Amino acid sequence: DGGITQSPKYLFRKEGQNVTLSCEQNLNHDAMYWYRQDPGQGLRLIYYSQIVNDFQKGDIAEGYSVSREKKESFPLTVTSAQKNPTAFYLCATQYRRATNEKLFFGSGTQLSVL
Amino acid sequence: KQEVTQIPAALSVPEGENLVLNCSFTDSAIYNLQWFRQDPGKGLTSLLLIQSSQREQTSGRLNASLDKSSGRSTLYIAASQPGDSATYLCAVSYYGGSNYKLTFGKGTLLTVNP
Repeated sequence: DGGITQSPKYLFRKEGQNVTLSCEQNLNHDAMYWYRQDPGQGLRLIYYSQIVNDFQKGDIAEGYSVSREKKESFPLTVTSAQKNPTAFYLCATQYRRATNEKLFFGSGTQLSVL
Repeated sequence: KQEVTQIPAALSVPEGENLVLNCSFTDSAIYNLQWFRQDPGKGLTSLLLIQSSQREQTSGRLNASLDKSSGRSTLYIAASQPGDSATYLCAVSYYGGSNYKLTFGKGTLLTVNP
């Protein structure tokens, strides 16, 4: 069963806590992305990675961190420095970045603050 | 800076109607334009990708057109069905500054009434 798996589906964060969102893919895609979606807003890019052990900041990277130790995995950590973390987080993959290839998305993680 | 606008923000139609969703972008120097569908609380599903050299793409009851010179794309849905109810987003990929970028519109919420 090929695809992108995001977990958990729902996540709650306490004040001052770091939380990590998981994104795993078995599509053998090189490029992976993290987007944030707020109600009534377009998607905003947090971080992206084109190859293993390399990643770049997107438009709203402050308060977030990522790692890309394996091709299949691109976890996102929401740190305590992110003061407004409540949002829907989407992971996406692409065969190669900057090509005419479709973007594939996971089913998302809803993060809320307790 | 590339801006992507989708009009209308919401649309309600009776079942069986043909309808058009609009997407406009400010910078015509694009690689491609993608149309996505998003169901409530879910990730995005790619519907159609139109490369900058193409004028349109078709898949089943969906037809997307691209007019780069005027900065516009339309998604035509024929014989709409209640199952078509979802939010439809367009996204434009382009070369911004020193990097490949992808900008999303805020989406059109479509409701097809039985």
